[in-house]
Amino acid sequence: DQQVKQNSPSLSVQEGRISILNCDYTNSMFDYFLWYKKYPAEGPTFLISISSIKDKNEDGRFTVFLNKSAKHLSLHIVPSQPGDSAVYFCAASDGWYSGGSNYKLTFGKGTLLTVNP
Amino acid sequence: DAGVIQSPRHEVTEMGQEVTLRCKPISGHDYLFWYRQTMMRGLELLIYFNNNVPIDDSGMPEDRFSAKMPNASFSTLKIQPSEPRDSAVYFCASSNPTGQITDTQYFGPGTRLTVL
Repeated sequence: DQQVKQNSPSLSVQEGRISILNCDYTNSMFDYFLWYKKYPAEGPTFLISISSIKDKNEDGRFTVFLNKSAKHLSLHIVPSQPGDSAVYFCAASDGWYSGGSNYKLTFGKGTLLTVNP
Repeated sequence: DAGVIQSPRHEVTEMGQEVTLRCKPISGHDYLFWYRQTMMRGLELLIYFNNNVPIDDSGMPEDRFSAKMPNASFSTLKIQPSEPRDSAVYFCASSNPTGQITDTQYFGPGTRLTVL
């Protein structure tokens, strides 16, 4: 049973517009959430994270929103650029940020974002 | 730092052969993770080590899979015998978590395994 779900396998947006990638989770013990970006033939690279004590974290064009009651998080990219075209993975942990010893991450299947010029 | 290093980058083998994938984590990182990526299952954790000791191997699919970490700078993932359904991209990642919001895992470039 998938504990982290990215229900949209792909998303296509125009350059300059907003990209919104969504992620749902089922494990209420998750307290740390991350987004990774992956280009073809490369490993995933860290993009942005958020802990369960916050509902928003911003880093430049990237903002992650967390809605704990809905067990939902989203990644907003504004404005979208062609170089943002990649697979985006949502990941979660249930012990990392709280200082526990569980640094295991559970990943979603990813969403392929295509930004058209 | 050179980042996480994996070898080989590509491996093509025949069913029944032994396959060994290698990983060198980032120096100073005390956690090492092995993942497998497939279209059907996405990115799934196979096993992870802390200070060279296996902590959780619940993701290892079968006894055909084994992983070792003989020292802090080297780990192997072995499949013996290999089967066509093992074809996937295998990633190694390392981390040095400190309980900070910037904690993350750093991934290698992956090994694309094809079993014919």
